[in-house]
Amino acid sequence: AQSVSQHNHHVILSEAASLELGCNYSYGGTVNLFWYVQYPGQHLQLLLKYFSGDPLVKGIKGFEAEFIKSKFSFNLRKPSVQWSDTAEYFCAVNARASGTYKYIFGTGTRLKVLA
Amino acid sequence: GAGVSQSPSNKVTEKGKDVELRCDPISGHTALYWYRQSLGQGLEFLIYFQGNSAPDKSGLPSDRFSAERTGGSVSTLTIQRTQQEDSAVYLCASSAYGGGSETQYFGPGTRLLVL
Repeated sequence: AQSVSQHNHHVILSEAASLELGCNYSYGGTVNLFWYVQYPGQHLQLLLKYFSGDPLVKGIKGFEAEFIKSKFSFNLRKPSVQWSDTAEYFCAVNARASGTYKYIFGTGTRLKVLA
Repeated sequence: GAGVSQSPSNKVTEKGKDVELRCDPISGHTALYWYRQSLGQGLEFLIYFQGNSAPDKSGLPSDRFSAERTGGSVSTLTIQRTQQEDSAVYLCASSAYGGGSETQYFGPGTRLLVL
């Protein structure tokens, strides 16, 4: 069965620190990979996604993620975080199984950035 | 409307009562998803609609849960004989066609509390 693992459940950083949130998935076929973010009091929204082409994907607000197929990973990075990046971040995989696409989300990582 | 809307925003009910949660997807979106978000559990997939049919109901946790979609638009998630473990935020999302690389657009959720 497909699964998505986010190993960091809570991360606390100071402003200007670098960020890397881990995401690993288990699925042997073609996958589409996503990072969603939920800011306090707001809806879940797309941060970035990979479905083909350059494995280094750039998203909004200076975030990027790299798809490493050999490691089944899609880690999220930002070189210098801001207080406004405080949010919960979800990695998701969408892959075809039994004739339909199935979206699987990780358990999320709560990021707190200290001013 | 511009986005996905859900109602009610909050629902408090007594154990054993039935509840109905409503989702209005983005106009024209054929794919609609229901998730449950519990503390520390991430997003748990419940059911996926393509038009009015539900090709994937695999995430419904028990036969107390059911969902329907009419007119290819509004969807209702019904929980019968609610239990305290049903307390969670129920999220609805829609996408244009349900394709693998599509972004899902989320509503604000319904926070359900079963006493």
